[in-house]
Amino acid sequence: QKEVEQDPGPLSVPEGAIVSLNCTYSNSAFQYFMWYRQYSRKGPELLMYTYSSGNKEDGRFTAQVDKSSKYISLFIRDSQPSDSATYLCAMSATYRSARQLTFGSGTQLTVLP
Amino acid sequence: ETGVTQSPTHLIKTRGQQVTLRCSSQSGHNTVSWYQQALGQGPQFIFQYYREEENGRGNFPPRFSGLQFPNYSSELNVNALELDDSALYLCASSSAVAEQYFGPGTRLTVT
Repeated sequence: QKEVEQDPGPLSVPEGAIVSLNCTYSNSAFQYFMWYRQYSRKGPELLMYTYSSGNKEDGRFTAQVDKSSKYISLFIRDSQPSDSATYLCAMSATYRSARQLTFGSGTQLTVLP
Repeated sequence: ETGVTQSPTHLIKTRGQQVTLRCSSQSGHNTVSWYQQALGQGPQFIFQYYREEENGRGNFPPRFSGLQFPNYSSELNVNALELDDSALYLCASSSAVAEQYFGPGTRLTVT
């Protein structure tokens, strides 16, 4: 079993839809949670970063962390064709560790105009 | 765009050869991590360097090695290349917090 599980999709939605992307994990030591966006043949771009449980909002993006359920989500409101990309969740253990990121396999999202 | 740069962009090598990939970290960042991303997969942690010392290693064999220089730039060396080493190699830099910022990657093809 992988430490981080992510539905690979592909996920296709119409422009303006609300998108929900999710990851589950098994390692209770994870405390830092990140979402990256990766366009084809590019490096991952950091979208959201949260520490421990709770919500964080940045523009059209909202990240949620539920440590009790070992479940994290990224919501995209008013989705745009430019949001079409692969979304990767990533997690890290305690601050004083090597800050190794463990990634999900990515969800491929297409927003149709 | 992040300030992390990588070279070369693309590389084609033959099985058994050796390769060196390079990374320049973002200004103010003293930690560099390397990841391997196979097609359709998430990045896999190879190792991390902090102040020129290896500071953690993933499940990769010793033929994957690295260096970090005083200016915090870094190299990834892979010896005895295998077909399965074909992937996108990503460098990420970070400072004293957990966020890591990735470069554009080097796409390595082993034939």
